[in-house]
Amino acid sequence: NAGVMQNPRHLVRRRGQEARLRCSPMKGHSHVYWYRQLPEEGLKFMVYLQKENIIDESGMPKERFSAEFPKEGPSILRIQQVVRGDSAAYFCASSPGAGGYYEQYFGPGTRLTVT
Amino acid sequence: DQQVKQNSPSLSVQEGRISILNCDYTNSMFDYFLWYKKYPAEGPTFLISISSIKDKNEDGRFTVFLNKSAKHLSLHIVPSQPGDSAVYFCAASAEGAQKLVFGQGTRLTINP
Repeated sequence: NAGVMQNPRHLVRRRGQEARLRCSPMKGHSHVYWYRQLPEEGLKFMVYLQKENIIDESGMPKERFSAEFPKEGPSILRIQQVVRGDSAAYFCASSPGAGGYYEQYFGPGTRLTVT
Repeated sequence: DQQVKQNSPSLSVQEGRISILNCDYTNSMFDYFLWYKKYPAEGPTFLISISSIKDKNEDGRFTVFLNKSAKHLSLHIVPSQPGDSAVYFCAASAEGAQKLVFGQGTRLTINP
């Protein structure tokens, strides 16, 4: 049973370029979450999605960031016109349900470096 | 506004002894708490969780204690093993809000 898959594992972008991070949840999981970890800090929630729906994007910066989880294919976190401050580790997690108590299972992360 | 705090950035413990990691929270709406372990360049791995209706949950060498009145939880690892050396994060969520709020992490080092 494959875990949460993320690609790429490492991504280097120049300032002003676009970054696309992909996440495939665990089999049977329909809830996806994105978190960001800055150096020496804990993980910070960005967005929670179900298939074709954004449920909670309260942690997402208002500009340049967007996320989707289409009916088919992986969830995508897109960062437009990247800046140095976007350099971080981005983690995707998935869970089998919502309501009640469900653990979230994390992928290995994508490390974004903006030069 | 740090709603979940791990006040010890690091902890060093002798192999075979007990490791105790602490976590405090401020939001009284939190009702589900989790501990994750993280190795460098990997994603967090789920260890153990507890809901607010319990005060203790045990899984093998890992036990989590919850003190709701003090808004405090702790993770006990006994006996500690070298493979336990990692960064440990506590996290919390409120019913109806699926997002996890993480502490800053505690780096645990187990010395042989």
